[in-house]
Amino acid sequence: EVQLLESGGGLVQPGGSLRLSCAASGFTFSNSAMSWVRQAPGKGLEWVSAFSGTGAYYADSVKGRFTISRDNSKNTLYLQMNSLRAEDTALYYCAKITDYWGQGTLVTVSS
Amino acid sequence: DIQMTQSPSSLSASVGDRVTITCRASQGITNSLIWLQQKPGKAPKSLIYAASSLQSGVPSKFSGSGSGTDFTLTISSLQPEDFGTYYCLQYKSYPFTFGPGTKVDIK
Repeated sequence: EVQLLESGGGLVQPGGSLRLSCAASGFTFSNSAMSWVRQAPGKGLEWVSAFSGTGAYYADSVKGRFTISRDNSKNTLYLQMNSLRAEDTALYYCAKITDYWGQGTLVTVSS
Repeated sequence: DIQMTQSPSSLSASVGDRVTITCRASQGITNSLIWLQQKPGKAPKSLIYAASSLQSGVPSKFSGSGSGTDFTLTISSLQPEDFGTYYCLQYKSYPFTFGPGTKVDIK
């Protein structure tokens, strides 16, 4: 059974940092391009970042503040989020976009 | 960046109706398009990938078509469990981009 289990969300003050993790199982993680997608409360889906065989990619809204990485030995995807803003408040999903999605982890940026 | 539009933004249909949702890309994306279903409070679920390939386990009442800039998701016979919001996503080039969504209600 395929599982994508996100963790690391929480409440953080503006300007703070968080590191999200996504533990994958049930498929060949090392060969898979993986993405982070977010959804602000009551809003649509927004692609945030991806790590593929050709490198790391970011939405303009997070470029320079977020860093995606992966540890294939641990089947885990990460998202380091720095300089967080109120508008980063969202449910963050880990996904193998064409196939599998996690349940999400909530990030709230507020003072 | 490639912009994605969807129409309609919402629809209300009866059980058994044939429902069609369209998605348009601002430039050609060949067949690099996914259709997702999201129910309230739940994670998105992939229905169709590569514009017309049915994801494993997804009922055959869902079908996708199109290539280039214009795409369609069809539900052949709407059922009560099909309510939710449907999104298209292009993965031809980074940054990936979603359509704004189509909310489907059951009359």
